[in-house]
Amino acid sequence: AQSVAQPEDQVNVAEGNPLTVKCTYSVSGNPYLFWYVQYPNRGLQFLLKYITGDNLVKGSYGFEAEFNKSQTSFHLKKPSALVSDSALYFCAVRDKGTSGTYKYIFGTGTRLKVLA
Amino acid sequence: DGGITQSPKYLFRKEGQNVTLSCEQNLNHDAMYWYRQDPGQGLRLIYYSQIVNDFQKGDIAEGYSVSREKKESFPLTVTSAQKNPTAFYLCASSILANTEAFFGQGTRLTVV
Repeated sequence: AQSVAQPEDQVNVAEGNPLTVKCTYSVSGNPYLFWYVQYPNRGLQFLLKYITGDNLVKGSYGFEAEFNKSQTSFHLKKPSALVSDSALYFCAVRDKGTSGTYKYIFGTGTRLKVLA
Repeated sequence: DGGITQSPKYLFRKEGQNVTLSCEQNLNHDAMYWYRQDPGQGLRLIYYSQIVNDFQKGDIAEGYSVSREKKESFPLTVTSAQKNPTAFYLCASSILANTEAFFGQGTRLTVV
């Protein structure tokens, strides 16, 4: 079965500094990887995805992610953090389940805190 | 406006009661999903459905039931067999191709 791991429960970064939120994956075959953001008491909002193609994927709100096959990583990045980026971030992988069905497997989440 | 609507936003349940959480989507998506979110545990899959009248158990299906009688609707029933139902419940949908899932705003269930 596919899985993703987010090794950091929390990441703190100063406003204006670059940020990285880490994600590693374990899949058989080609991975379909996603990043989501969640604000308090809200649903998840899609940020970006990697299906195939360029290893650097650009997404919403200035975020990007780098797919690295040799390191099995898909880290989320932003060149200059904003206080409003403070939220809970989830990495996810699409998994093929029984009967050819698909489901999304999520990591445990990383809380990003951007300090003014 | 297209999207996924979950209701109610807050729900209180007495011990021993069954409650049903509503999830409706007008995105014409084939697949729908229910996740449970607890602090520090991320999202755990309860049930998912790829087509009408068919659904599969996720990782934590015990104590829950679902139905998929219409493409737009995927209600989740939390039964009295679920021993620790207090959590934030999220519904999502997607088309079957290589795309992302879209999420509703969630229902916070509290046992009183």
